[in-house]
Amino acid sequence: GNSVTQMEGPVTLSEEAFLTINCTYTATGYPSLFWYVQYPGEGLQLLLKATKADDKGSNKGFEATYRKETTSFHLEKGSVQVSDSAVYFCALKRSAGGTSYGKLTFGQGTILTVHP
Amino acid sequence: GAVVSQHPSRVICKSGTSVKIECRSLDFQATTMFWYRQFPKQSLMLMATSNEGSKATYEQGVEKDKFLINHASLTLSTLTVTSAHPEDSSFYICSASSGQTLEQFFGDGTRLSIL
Repeated sequence: GNSVTQMEGPVTLSEEAFLTINCTYTATGYPSLFWYVQYPGEGLQLLLKATKADDKGSNKGFEATYRKETTSFHLEKGSVQVSDSAVYFCALKRSAGGTSYGKLTFGQGTILTVHP
Repeated sequence: GAVVSQHPSRVICKSGTSVKIECRSLDFQATTMFWYRQFPKQSLMLMATSNEGSKATYEQGVEKDKFLINHASLTLSTLTVTSAHPEDSSFYICSASSGQTLEQFFGDGTRLSIL
């Protein structure tokens, strides 16, 4: 079945530090890959996505590249801010067919705390 | 992006009562809605998928008689936790999509606390 494994947190960084949160996946076919962010007490917001191999998703300074050869979708940001403190979820969605069609499979989430 | 409104944001009630949570798509027609449960410091677990006008499809291990889902219109789905007990306390999140292949838009979640 489909699964997503994220780097365990929590991750604590100083402002302007470089961020990497690792994400690897297992899936049949060609899934779409996503990063979601959850701020305290809120639901999830889509941060970025990639729908095919070698695609790079980017938003708000965050980037992730769909690497089929390593089944990875690592999240990076060159300079984090205090306002980036949140929980980050990697997720995949099957591209077509099967009982899991359209459903998102989430990683366990990584808590990021950025200090001034 | 599209807006999904979830209500209430927080509810505290006594054991044995039933609680209804609403999920509304405000500016698009949601043919598919998803209900998730999130335990503290854990990931989201999909409970069920509902398509407008048809019965919800529940994930393995989710009691359909306990968690009643209704998706009677293209803008509203409800989750009713029947005869709630303390172990049902959790953060429940809905999402809505205008198709299974398209992006899911998430509500802000409902914090349910059963005393």
